[in-house]
Amino acid sequence: DTAVSQTPKYLVTQMGNDKSIKCEQNLGHDTMYWYKQDSKKFLKIMFSYNNKELIINETVPNRFSPKSPDKAHLNLHINSLELGDSAVYFCASSQGRTSGGWSTDTQYFGPGTRLTVL
Amino acid sequence: AQKVTQAQTEISVVEKEDVTLDCVYETRDTTYYLFWYKQPPSGELVFLIRRNSFDEQNEISGRYSWNFQKSTSSFNFTITASQVVDSAVYFCALSEAENTDKLIFGTGTRLQVFP
Repeated sequence: DTAVSQTPKYLVTQMGNDKSIKCEQNLGHDTMYWYKQDSKKFLKIMFSYNNKELIINETVPNRFSPKSPDKAHLNLHINSLELGDSAVYFCASSQGRTSGGWSTDTQYFGPGTRLTVL
Repeated sequence: AQKVTQAQTEISVVEKEDVTLDCVYETRDTTYYLFWYKQPPSGELVFLIRRNSFDEQNEISGRYSWNFQKSTSSFNFTITASQVVDSAVYFCALSEAENTDKLIFGTGTRLQVFP
């Protein structure tokens, strides 16, 4: 009955490889997010999607490409991995947006995926 | 510009002590939301509380309490009678209603509770 799940939990790979992280939520939420937590624990948003539509793209290198096949899934594909991509990546979801166009709802986070690039 | 400052990098206490984690925020919006999340050693991010800018009432939930003061742009978190299980990194976060739905996090405060 996990609310927001991510796979894999750990990912170790070589520089230059391409990898994907999957996220699924069973909360019926409309909006999903990707956050990056660096080695100093600093959390920063990367992307958000609302009903499969990209809403936020926070100047993330275009090697990172989110894909939302449906509103319950938001996957993150990373091309040509670099050492600096090593981090914990969190997926999150929230209920949705008001008629004014912004989300006020609490974001619930997945367990995180620890990516290590060697 | 929006910003969240958690000046305390690390706090150590002994069990049963009370501890307050400070959070100061900056925003130009009049409508905004403040959050606290807990990240235990296992790594997940656990939602604790959300307050909107129009509700300055303090909140208590068991041993946890929150003090929201707009006059000082602060949203402090107090744990009463701390326990070892409270050991975690605690993040304060802000979202501004008018722009995006992105959460702006503080840098976190690591709380260590010793038996």
